[in-house]
Amino acid sequence: DAGVIQSPRHEVTEMGQEVTLRCKPISGHNSLFWYRQTMMRGLELLIYFNNNVPIDDSGMPEDRFSAKMPNASFSTLKIQPSEPRDSAVYFCASSLSTGWDSPLHFGNGTRLTVT
Amino acid sequence: GENVEQHPSTLSVQEGDSAVIKCTYSDSASNYFPWYKQELGKGPQLIIDIRSNVGEKKDQRIAVTLNKTAKHFSLHITETQPEDSAVYFCAPPRRSMRFGAGTRLTVKP
Repeated sequence: DAGVIQSPRHEVTEMGQEVTLRCKPISGHNSLFWYRQTMMRGLELLIYFNNNVPIDDSGMPEDRFSAKMPNASFSTLKIQPSEPRDSAVYFCASSLSTGWDSPLHFGNGTRLTVT
Repeated sequence: GENVEQHPSTLSVQEGDSAVIKCTYSDSASNYFPWYKQELGKGPQLIIDIRSNVGEKKDQRIAVTLNKTAKHFSLHITETQPEDSAVYFCAPPRRSMRFGAGTRLTVKP
């Protein structure tokens, strides 16, 4: 199994530019999660989907952030416009269900730097 | 929302020694307690988990113990090796909560 695949691994952009992060979950997993990790705030949940439908986006910091899951094998997290404080590592994870007793499988993340 | 409290934040041990990391939670409804290991440049990976109907679970050098009365669960690593050096996280009781800050374990050869 290839695991959760994220792209790009690194992204450097200038303030004001649009950034799109991509994720391919593990085949057969029904739930997909986007997390952000920073030194200050740790690992925090931004949004999660179940069967391609957004269930909880309360963690999305601002309207500049949006996420989509057009099909079971692909999701995007978009930041428009980006700001320096968005610099962080963004992780995508998938699991068999949104139930909390289902382990998360994380990708290796996208390190975003906004200058 | 509530988070889990994880201690210690850093832990340094000599190779071969044991390491213990503890997490405290407040949600009585929690019934699943996973531990994740994050190595540099990678995403967190599940290393062991336990459900509330079990008090202890072992997998080779790793074990997790659960005290539901006291609302804490602990990760135990015995005979530590340098490759155990990483950041360890316990997961919060609800998806919407933030993970703890983690414990940075350093195993000195």
